[in-house]
Amino acid sequence: DVKVTQSSRYLVKRTGEKVFLECVQDMDHENMFWYRQDPGLGLRLIYFSYDVKMKEKGDIPEGYSVSREKKERFSLILESASTNQTSMYLCASKGREGNQPQHFGDGTRLSIL
Amino acid sequence: AQTVTQSQPEMSVQEAETVTLSCTYDTSESDYYLFWYKQPPSRQMILVIRQEAYKQQNATENRFSVNFQKAAKSFSLKISDSQLGDAAMYFCAYSKWPGNQFYFGTGTSLTVIP
Repeated sequence: DVKVTQSSRYLVKRTGEKVFLECVQDMDHENMFWYRQDPGLGLRLIYFSYDVKMKEKGDIPEGYSVSREKKERFSLILESASTNQTSMYLCASKGREGNQPQHFGDGTRLSIL
Repeated sequence: AQTVTQSQPEMSVQEAETVTLSCTYDTSESDYYLFWYKQPPSRQMILVIRQEAYKQQNATENRFSVNFQKAAKSFSLKISDSQLGDAAMYFCAYSKWPGNQFYFGTGTSLTVIP
């Protein structure tokens, strides 16, 4: 089974802090994704990566950056956290073939105080 | 931009009964993929069922089946013999070829009544 591991289940940070969310997958997947999940809004794509060192902006990239130095690891960075970034963050990975589904981590519930 | 619409924010079903969750999508593509995901409370999002647009036959997975109407751009999920463990948020998702970008609906919260 595919395993997608997010480093923290719950995280509390302060406004202005630099925040790192880490995600690791064990299936040698080319594609990795970061989503934000908010009630009534579903999942919104922040960034995705289709290869090492490659990244593409999603629908809501403002205030976020990403890093993919190794194939198995995809990091989401909040450069200067703000209270409106309080949310559930989901990481996912997916293989190369188009019909393959995304596999999700457990999510990180991030609170910015 | 592709959009996915789930018009039912909440649904409920009696245990052992059948329920259908609706999903429509907007696309000008001919080659794409559709998925239903389930997210139980405080638990991981998992795949329920998938459908490739070029396949006319509706996908089925045990008690879960879809009604895929390509011309109408509709992709509904039918859950038969509903069980308490089916209670969850269900998300419809669309992905166009080559499948490295997904678009999700806003979700339908399903309650199963014992």
